[in-house]
Amino acid sequence: RKEVEQDPGPFNVPEGATVAFNCTYSNSASQSFFWYRQDCRKEPKLLMSVYSSGNEDGRFTAQLNRASQYISLLIRDSKLSDSATYLCVVNRQGNLIFGKGTKLSVKP
Amino acid sequence: SQTIHQWPATLVQPVGSPLSLECTVEGTSNPNLYWYRQAAGRGLQLLFYSVGIGQISSEVPQNLSASRPQDRQFILSSKKILLSDSGFYLCACQRRPGLVNNEQFFGPGTRLTVL
Repeated sequence: RKEVEQDPGPFNVPEGATVAFNCTYSNSASQSFFWYRQDCRKEPKLLMSVYSSGNEDGRFTAQLNRASQYISLLIRDSKLSDSATYLCVVNRQGNLIFGKGTKLSVKP
Repeated sequence: SQTIHQWPATLVQPVGSPLSLECTVEGTSNPNLYWYRQAAGRGLQLLFYSVGIGQISSEVPQNLSASRPQDRQFILSSKKILLSDSGFYLCACQRRPGLVNNEQFFGPGTRLTVL
């Protein structure tokens, strides 16, 4: 089993749609979790840290379920500018383990 | 906040040639530094990390090496590159010590094409 697994994607959605990305991790000792966004041919950029109680930042909501070893990212009211690859990231003993990412394409 | 510089931005080199990629960090001291490679259509692969000057840990055995001659300088090298070394090389910085949500921040990357 891969250490971090994400929805295979790609997700093609119309503007205004709500889209959810799921991610599972295998190491129950993982302490912290993140979502990064990567635009084509650019470096990954931190989108959100994922707190145990779940957290929201504008249109973005991240949730963590430690019992199921599951992380999610919800994007409401999708914008064209949300088109990117979204990377699920898990902290394993101080090093970050990246999922392969899910590509999102928001269409007009 | 920290700023990460990488150069060169792009590189095209023949198989068997030497390689040197440089990363420097501003705005923080004593960071953890990382080299990742992202091959086309694949996830980020951790190559090396460093917790201090002269301290290098290798995650994947390969023909690459890394050095940290100064606190905020991290260099990736090879004596002879392979076709499989093509990819997008990213340097990342992580503040210390031991913060729970200890995010990493990435430089703009170097895109290497080996011919």
